Amino acid sequence: AQSVAQPEDQVNVAEGNPLTVKCTYSVSGNPYLFWYVQYPNRGLQFLLKYITGDNLVKGSYGFEAEFNKSQTSFHLKKPSALVSDSALYFCAVRDQWGRGSTLGRLYFGRGTQLTVWP
Amino acid sequence: DAGITQSPRYKITETGRQVTLMCHQTWSHSYMFWYRQDLGHGLRLIYYSAAADITDKGEVPDGYVVSRSKTENFPLTLESATRSQTSVYFCASRQGTINSPLHFGNGTRLTVT
Repeated sequence: AQSVAQPEDQVNVAEGNPLTVKCTYSVSGNPYLFWYVQYPNRGLQFLLKYITGDNLVKGSYGFEAEFNKSQTSFHLKKPSALVSDSALYFCAVRDQWGRGSTLGRLYFGRGTQLTVWP
Repeated sequence: DAGITQSPRYKITETGRQVTLMCHQTWSHSYMFWYRQDLGHGLRLIYYSAAADITDKGEVPDGYVVSRSKTENFPLTLESATRSQTSVYFCASRQGTINSPLHFGNGTRLTVT
Protein backbone atom coordinates (compact mmCIF):
# COMPACT_ATOMS: atom_id res chain seq x y z
CA ALA A 1 0.00 0.00 0.00
CA GLN A 2 1.10 3.52 -0.74
CA SER A 3 1.50 6.04 2.05
CA VAL A 4 3.32 9.16 3.08
CA ALA A 5 4.36 10.22 6.58
CA GLN A 6 5.32 13.68 7.70
CA PRO A 7 6.48 13.04 11.25
CA GLU A 8 6.40 16.67 12.39
CA ASP A 9 3.15 18.62 12.58
CA GLN A 10 5.11 21.82 13.14
CA VAL A 11 8.59 23.08 12.38
CA ASN A 12 9.84 26.37 13.80
CA VAL A 13 13.01 28.03 12.59
CA ALA A 14 14.61 31.45 12.80
CA GLU A 15 14.98 33.53 9.68
CA GLY A 16 18.32 32.94 8.01
CA ASN A 17 18.73 29.47 9.46
CA PRO A 18 18.51 26.33 7.36
CA LEU A 19 15.22 24.46 7.41
CA THR A 20 14.25 20.83 6.90
CA VAL A 21 10.76 19.41 6.57
CA LYS A 22 10.76 15.63 6.77
CA CYS A 23 8.92 13.11 4.62
CA THR A 24 9.04 9.34 4.38
CA TYR A 25 7.07 7.22 1.96
CA SER A 26 5.98 3.69 1.20
CA VAL A 27 5.21 2.41 -2.30
CA SER A 28 5.32 -0.97 -3.99
CA GLY A 29 7.04 0.27 -7.14
CA ASN A 30 9.24 3.20 -8.03
CA PRO A 31 8.08 6.43 -6.42
CA TYR A 32 7.29 9.74 -7.98
CA LEU A 33 7.64 12.28 -5.15
CA PHE A 34 6.29 15.79 -4.87
CA TRP A 35 6.32 18.71 -2.47
CA TYR A 36 3.55 21.29 -2.34
CA VAL A 37 3.09 24.46 -0.32
CA GLN A 38 -0.17 25.96 0.86
CA TYR A 39 -0.59 29.57 1.97
CA PRO A 40 -3.66 30.61 3.99
CA ASN A 41 -6.93 30.53 2.04
CA ARG A 42 -5.19 29.26 -1.08
CA GLY A 43 -4.86 26.00 -2.91
CA LEU A 44 -1.71 23.90 -2.92
CA GLN A 45 1.13 25.06 -5.11
CA PHE A 46 3.66 22.70 -6.67
CA LEU A 47 7.23 23.20 -5.42
CA LEU A 48 9.31 20.37 -6.86
CA LYS A 49 9.29 16.73 -7.85
CA TYR A 50 11.56 13.72 -8.04
CA ILE A 51 11.03 11.31 -10.88
CA THR A 52 14.42 9.76 -11.58
CA GLY A 53 18.08 10.73 -11.83
CA ASP A 54 19.91 13.07 -9.49
CA ASN A 55 18.88 12.54 -5.88
CA LEU A 56 18.99 16.28 -5.16
CA VAL A 57 16.11 18.10 -6.77
CA LYS A 58 15.86 21.89 -6.94
CA GLY A 59 12.53 23.66 -7.06
CA SER A 60 10.78 26.98 -6.66
CA TYR A 61 11.64 29.73 -4.13
CA GLY A 62 15.09 28.26 -3.35
CA PHE A 63 13.76 24.97 -2.01
CA GLU A 64 15.40 21.65 -2.70
CA ALA A 65 14.73 18.07 -1.69
CA GLU A 66 16.91 15.02 -1.31
CA PHE A 67 15.68 11.61 -2.37
CA ASN A 68 17.10 8.76 -0.30
CA LYS A 69 15.98 5.37 -1.56
CA SER A 70 17.48 3.32 1.26
CA GLN A 71 15.75 5.42 3.89
CA THR A 72 12.61 5.93 1.74
CA SER A 73 12.78 9.62 2.50
CA PHE A 74 12.32 12.84 0.57
CA HIS A 75 13.10 15.70 2.94
CA LEU A 76 12.52 19.29 1.87
CA LYS A 77 15.33 21.73 2.58
CA LYS A 78 16.27 25.35 2.23
CA PRO A 79 19.67 26.78 3.16
CA SER A 80 18.34 30.07 4.54
CA ALA A 81 14.73 30.43 5.67
CA LEU A 82 12.62 33.52 5.07
CA VAL A 83 9.61 34.72 7.08
CA SER A 84 7.63 34.48 3.83
CA ASP A 85 8.33 30.71 3.75
CA SER A 86 5.89 30.28 6.64
CA ALA A 87 3.15 28.02 5.27
CA LEU A 88 1.78 24.49 5.30
CA TYR A 89 3.91 21.98 3.38
CA PHE A 90 2.70 18.71 1.94
CA CYS A 91 4.69 15.76 0.70
CA ALA A 92 3.04 13.42 -1.81
CA VAL A 93 3.89 10.19 -3.58
CA ARG A 94 2.63 8.51 -6.69
CA ASP A 95 3.35 4.86 -7.39
CA GLN A 96 4.79 4.36 -10.86
CA TRP A 97 3.05 1.03 -11.17
CA GLY A 98 -0.09 1.52 -9.13
CA ARG A 99 -2.68 -1.11 -9.81
CA GLY A 100 -6.13 -0.64 -11.26
CA SER A 101 -8.01 2.39 -10.14
CA THR A 102 -5.11 3.66 -8.03
CA LEU A 103 -2.87 4.04 -11.07
CA GLY A 104 -1.44 7.52 -11.00
CA ARG A 105 -3.20 8.49 -7.80
CA LEU A 106 -1.32 10.89 -5.54
CA TYR A 107 -1.07 10.13 -1.82
CA PHE A 108 -0.55 13.10 0.49
CA GLY A 109 0.98 13.38 3.91
CA ARG A 110 -0.95 15.27 6.59
CA GLY A 111 1.16 18.37 6.21
CA THR A 112 3.77 20.21 8.25
CA GLN A 113 3.21 23.78 9.40
CA LEU A 114 6.43 25.73 8.94
CA THR A 115 6.84 28.92 10.97
CA VAL A 116 9.83 31.14 10.36
CA TRP A 117 10.22 33.87 12.96
CA PRO A 118 12.13 37.11 12.37
CA ASP B 1 -5.58 33.79 -17.85
CA ALA B 2 -5.38 30.03 -17.95
CA GLY B 3 -5.96 28.26 -14.71
CA ILE B 4 -8.33 26.32 -12.53
CA THR B 5 -11.20 28.14 -10.87
CA GLN B 6 -13.63 27.00 -8.23
CA SER B 7 -16.95 28.52 -7.34
CA PRO B 8 -18.29 29.57 -4.99
CA ARG B 9 -15.38 30.38 -2.65
CA TYR B 10 -17.66 30.21 0.37
CA LYS B 11 -20.96 28.44 0.84
CA ILE B 12 -23.27 27.95 3.79
CA THR B 13 -26.05 25.43 3.42
CA GLU B 14 -28.44 23.52 5.63
CA THR B 15 -28.47 19.83 6.44
CA GLY B 16 -30.33 17.85 3.80
CA ARG B 17 -29.96 20.35 0.98
CA GLN B 18 -28.31 19.56 -2.28
CA VAL B 19 -25.30 21.70 -3.17
CA THR B 20 -23.01 21.70 -6.18
CA LEU B 21 -19.43 22.93 -6.19
CA MET B 22 -18.08 23.98 -9.55
CA CYS B 23 -14.63 23.47 -11.01
CA HIS B 24 -13.40 24.75 -14.36
CA GLN B 25 -9.94 24.43 -15.91
CA THR B 26 -8.60 26.03 -19.06
CA TRP B 27 -5.58 23.81 -19.66
CA SER B 28 -7.47 20.91 -21.26
CA HIS B 29 -5.92 18.60 -18.69
CA SER B 30 -7.28 15.09 -18.95
CA TYR B 31 -7.22 14.30 -15.23
CA MET B 32 -9.30 16.14 -12.64
CA PHE B 33 -9.69 15.52 -8.92
CA TRP B 34 -11.75 16.53 -5.92
CA TYR B 35 -10.16 16.59 -2.47
CA ARG B 36 -11.43 17.64 0.91
CA GLN B 37 -9.13 19.12 3.51
CA ASP B 38 -9.87 18.68 7.19
CA LEU B 39 -7.77 19.35 10.24
CA GLY B 40 -6.05 16.17 11.32
CA HIS B 41 -6.81 14.38 8.06
CA GLY B 42 -4.83 16.32 5.52
CA LEU B 43 -6.11 15.91 1.97
CA ARG B 44 -8.47 13.08 1.14
CA LEU B 45 -9.46 12.16 -2.37
CA ILE B 46 -13.20 12.12 -3.03
CA TYR B 47 -13.46 11.40 -6.75
CA TYR B 48 -11.32 11.70 -9.79
CA SER B 49 -11.72 11.62 -13.54
CA ALA B 50 -9.30 10.44 -16.20
CA ALA B 51 -11.23 11.99 -19.09
CA ALA B 52 -14.69 13.19 -20.05
CA ASP B 53 -17.30 10.63 -19.00
CA ILE B 54 -14.74 8.60 -17.02
CA THR B 55 -14.88 8.95 -13.25
CA ASP B 56 -13.79 6.83 -10.31
CA LYS B 57 -14.10 6.83 -6.54
CA GLY B 58 -11.38 7.95 -4.21
CA GLU B 59 -11.00 7.39 -0.46
CA VAL B 60 -14.18 9.13 0.74
CA PRO B 61 -16.83 9.11 -2.01
CA ASP B 62 -19.96 8.46 0.09
CA GLY B 63 -22.50 11.24 -0.13
CA TYR B 64 -20.94 12.81 -3.21
CA VAL B 65 -21.67 12.62 -6.91
CA VAL B 66 -19.55 13.84 -9.81
CA SER B 67 -19.98 14.21 -13.53
CA ARG B 68 -17.68 15.13 -16.37
CA SER B 69 -19.56 15.79 -19.57
CA LYS B 70 -16.89 18.24 -20.77
CA THR B 71 -13.14 18.04 -20.31
CA GLU B 72 -12.94 21.46 -18.67
CA ASN B 73 -15.65 21.04 -16.03
CA PHE B 74 -15.84 18.69 -13.08
CA PRO B 75 -18.70 19.60 -10.70
CA LEU B 76 -19.05 17.95 -7.30
CA THR B 77 -22.56 17.51 -5.87
CA LEU B 78 -23.49 16.79 -2.30
CA GLU B 79 -26.83 15.09 -2.72
CA SER B 80 -28.07 15.66 0.84
CA ALA B 81 -25.56 17.67 2.83
CA THR B 82 -24.57 16.56 6.32
CA ARG B 83 -22.60 18.40 8.99
CA SER B 84 -19.72 15.97 8.53
CA GLN B 85 -19.31 17.37 5.02
CA THR B 86 -18.33 20.75 6.41
CA SER B 87 -14.86 21.13 4.95
CA VAL B 88 -12.67 22.91 2.47
CA TYR B 89 -12.95 21.37 -0.97
CA PHE B 90 -10.19 21.55 -3.56
CA CYS B 91 -10.37 20.76 -7.22
CA ALA B 92 -7.17 19.86 -9.06
CA SER B 93 -6.09 18.88 -12.53
CA ARG B 94 -3.05 17.49 -14.27
CA GLN B 95 -1.81 16.40 -17.65
CA GLY B 96 -2.04 12.77 -18.68
CA THR B 97 1.61 11.83 -18.05
CA ILE B 98 2.04 10.08 -14.74
CA ASN B 99 4.86 12.34 -13.50
CA SER B 100 2.86 15.54 -14.01
CA PRO B 101 2.17 17.65 -10.91
CA LEU B 102 -1.31 18.57 -9.79
CA HIS B 103 -2.57 22.13 -10.19
CA PHE B 104 -5.05 23.20 -7.53
CA GLY B 105 -7.85 25.69 -7.39
CA ASN B 106 -8.20 28.03 -4.41
CA GLY B 107 -10.86 25.94 -2.76
CA THR B 108 -14.45 26.21 -1.62
CA ARG B 109 -15.12 26.53 2.09
CA LEU B 110 -18.41 24.75 2.74
CA THR B 111 -20.30 24.98 6.01
CA VAL B 112 -23.29 22.73 6.61
CA THR B 113 -25.50 23.93 9.47
